Amino acid sequence: AQSVTQPDIHITVSEGASLELRCNYSYGATPYLFWYVQSPGQGLQLLLKYFSGDTLVQGIKGFEAEFKRSQSSFNLRKPSVHWSDAAEYFCAVGAEDYKLSFGAGTTVTVRA
Amino acid sequence: DAGVTQSPTHLIKTRGQQVTLRCSPKSGHDTVSWYQQALGQGPQFIFQYYEEEERQRGNFPDRFSGHQFPNYSSELNVNALLLGDSALYLCASSDRKFGQETQYFGPGTRLLVL
Repeated sequence: AQSVTQPDIHITVSEGASLELRCNYSYGATPYLFWYVQSPGQGLQLLLKYFSGDTLVQGIKGFEAEFKRSQSSFNLRKPSVHWSDAAEYFCAVGAEDYKLSFGAGTTVTVRA
Repeated sequence: DAGVTQSPTHLIKTRGQQVTLRCSPKSGHDTVSWYQQALGQGPQFIFQYYEEEERQRGNFPDRFSGHQFPNYSSELNVNALLLGDSALYLCASSDRKFGQETQYFGPGTRLLVL
């Protein structure tokens, strides 16, 4: 069975600074990887996804993520954070059974 | 193009009652998955419906059941509610025709069990 670990529960970053959120997955075959963002009281919005091909994927809102098979990682990055990026971020792994397994999430706080 | 919609947005029930939550998938999607998100946690997979049948099920008791209708909409039913069932229930839709698909989530239904 697949699983996801997000080592950072909470990250605080200054507006304009760079952001990196860590994600490590466990899955025996090639994983399908996703990052979702959730604002308070809201559902999940897809930021980006990796199925195959180029290991650096671009998403919405200026986010990107890099798949590193050797490290079983799929870290999310943004070069310059905006106050509106404050939210909870979830990494998820999917497999051939079509269900998603999520990490516990990382809460991002943006300070002025 | 309407996204995934869920109803109701909020619900308060008491222990032992039954609840039904509803989901309409994104236009063109044929698969509906349900997730439970407890406070401070990531979503947990409950089950998935495709072609009106339950295809996958997570580690949830039989008190959780569902249904998919011919128009692809879906219901989640929870019987004999427990306090621990209080959570945000998320519905996600996808298009299974092309293999591994991307799931798009609705806004969720917040269930409080007293």
